[in-house]
Amino acid sequence: EVRLLESGGGLVQPGGSLRLSCAASGFTFTNYALIWVRQAPGKGLECVAVIDVKAYYADSVKGRFTISRDNSKSALYLQMNSLRAEDTAVYYCAKSIGGSGGFYDSWGQGTLVTVSS
Amino acid sequence: DIVMTQSPDSLAVSLGERATINCKSSQSVFISSSNKNYLAWYRQRPGQPPELLIYWASTRESGVPDRFSGSGSGTDFTLTISSLQAEDVAVYYCQQHASGRHTFGQGTKLEIK
Repeated sequence: EVRLLESGGGLVQPGGSLRLSCAASGFTFTNYALIWVRQAPGKGLECVAVIDVKAYYADSVKGRFTISRDNSKSALYLQMNSLRAEDTAVYYCAKSIGGSGGFYDSWGQGTLVTVSS
Repeated sequence: DIVMTQSPDSLAVSLGERATINCKSSQSVFISSSNKNYLAWYRQRPGQPPELLIYWASTRESGVPDRFSGSGSGTDFTLTISSLQAEDVAVYYCQQHASGRHTFGQGTKLEIK
């Protein structure tokens, strides 16, 4: 069974940093692209960052967030710096369907990031 | 970035009736080299993460009931639920990855009439 478990969320002041982690199990981690998607309270889904052969970022986080993966630990990370109030959201990690499909068939339950003074 | 626009923003349908949600992309998501539309549909029930329903515009994900179907090509796509069930109350999103930066539609909220 595929499992994705996010951690690392919490309350942080504007300008601060957080590192989110996503622990994966139940599949061959190296074979799949991974994504961080966020959802602000009461809002829709936003792709924050994708990592496959290379990394892609939303304009809203480029230069502040860094996506990375540790294949030896089956772990995905999101380093978030210079946090702003508008980064407040539930952050989900998800696994792609494989091949050239940038579609995501398994999702974690999410971790809440709150940026506030 | 490719902008995805869904219509309507919200929809109320009676149980057992058909629900139709549209998604339009600002540029084509059809990639000729693979002969595929890089378009997916997700359902997000209240308090839950999204679930993949349809990918490649019309391929149903394993385990998804056959009342869900996807159609369209290029820039215009449709998700159809042929007979609405109570568990289909959710927000539905389309998503493209024809470009490296994936984008979602704004979502369509589906309720029971």
